[in-house]
Amino acid sequence: DAEITQSPRHKITETGRQVTLACHQTWNHNNMFWYRQDLGHGLRLIHYSYGVQDTNKGEVSDGYSVSRSNTEDLPLTLESAASSQTSVYFCASRDEGEAFFGQGTRLTVV
Amino acid sequence: AQSVTQLGSHVSVSEGALVLLRCNYSSSVPPYLFWYVQYPNQGLQLLLKYTSAATLVKGINGFEAEFKKSETSFHLTKPSAHMSDAAEYFCAVSDAGNTPLVFGKGTRLSVIA
Repeated sequence: DAEITQSPRHKITETGRQVTLACHQTWNHNNMFWYRQDLGHGLRLIHYSYGVQDTNKGEVSDGYSVSRSNTEDLPLTLESAASSQTSVYFCASRDEGEAFFGQGTRLTVV
Repeated sequence: AQSVTQLGSHVSVSEGALVLLRCNYSSSVPPYLFWYVQYPNQGLQLLLKYTSAATLVKGINGFEAEFKKSETSFHLTKPSAHMSDAAEYFCAVSDAGNTPLVFGKGTRLSVIA
């Protein structure tokens, strides 16, 4: 069965470190998205991509970057982790229908 | 810009009672509308979606939602709540089949025995 997987599931990092969260999908979807979930805010869009070599900023993109070198993967990089980036991060993909979500990565910045 | 408003961050119902979770949206084009459910420490699972077919949409686990264009609403209902329905529910909108979903802030449903 097709799926979307995120790794790691949990990570603790220190302020100022660079962190990369992985997202891999086997749906063969062109469109992939990164969200962060915080209490009282729901899910907010960080970055998204409509295909290889395409990336776009979302609502809360400051301090984050993505790259898309193939259809399956959209890694999210925190250039210099800050305590405000402690959150649960979800990756999703879709093509002309519902979006499928990964299980999430809980990131703690200390 | 699209937006979603979910009325009530927390709704509590008795087991067997009607569940009603409210969602209003704004969109400049015919929208794609979704309800997702999230159980603790899990990802989001699709409950149902509206994509310009029938205005009454049936989903999984006995849930349904009605698209009302005049009210810009897409409220989620279930006739009889079960304990297993306790979760966080998110309404979402997009303006096309491939664009990012815009989410409401979520409604936490508690079911009381």
